[in-house]
Amino acid sequence: AQSVAQPEDQVNVAEGNPLTVKCTYSVSGNPYLFWYVQYPNRGLQFLLKYITGDNLVKGSYGFEAEFNKSQTSFHLKKPSALVSDSALYFCAVRDMGRERQLTFGSGTQLTVLP
Amino acid sequence: KAGVTQTPRYLIKTRGQQVTLSCSPISGHRSVSWYQQTPGQGLQFLFEYFSETQRNKGNFPGRFSGRQFSNSRSEMNVSTLELGDSALYLCASSSDSHLYEQYFGPGTRLTVT
Repeated sequence: AQSVAQPEDQVNVAEGNPLTVKCTYSVSGNPYLFWYVQYPNRGLQFLLKYITGDNLVKGSYGFEAEFNKSQTSFHLKKPSALVSDSALYFCAVRDMGRERQLTFGSGTQLTVLP
Repeated sequence: KAGVTQTPRYLIKTRGQQVTLSCSPISGHRSVSWYQQTPGQGLQFLFEYFSETQRNKGNFPGRFSGRQFSNSRSEMNVSTLELGDSALYLCASSSDSHLYEQYFGPGTRLTVT
């Protein structure tokens, strides 16, 4: 079975500082990995994905994520946080060839303080 | 392109009633997935439809059902509503070429009293 863990329910960071939102996963085969963001009263917005290739993936709004196979991690990063980045972030995984649906993590609430 | 639309946005029902939620995917997207989002359980997969066929189903009771029409629009139905069915129901669509890159609608907030 596939699973995702987001170990931090809440992350606070000052505006202008770098931010990291952590995600680890468990799959039997090779993973497809995704990050989504949810603003209040909105659906989820796709940020970025890792399918294959370069371990560093760049996505929307200046976000990037690094795939680390040995640590089974896919942490979301941004060099300089904005107050408008404050939202709920979800990591998701699909085990290639074994599962047909995405499994989402529990979410991390990011608050960027002015 | 217009995004994924869901109707209604908000709904209040009484325990025991049934409800139907609607989702219109992005034009050209044939895959539609449904998710339930609650504070306690997070995001849970309900089912996925592709070309009017259910391709995958999550671990929900038979009270939860869905269907997809020839124009790719999808509906989900919940019968005999329970208080625990109160949730945000999200629909997502994806294209054939990027099947697991899902685009979500704003959701339908269902409250069961």
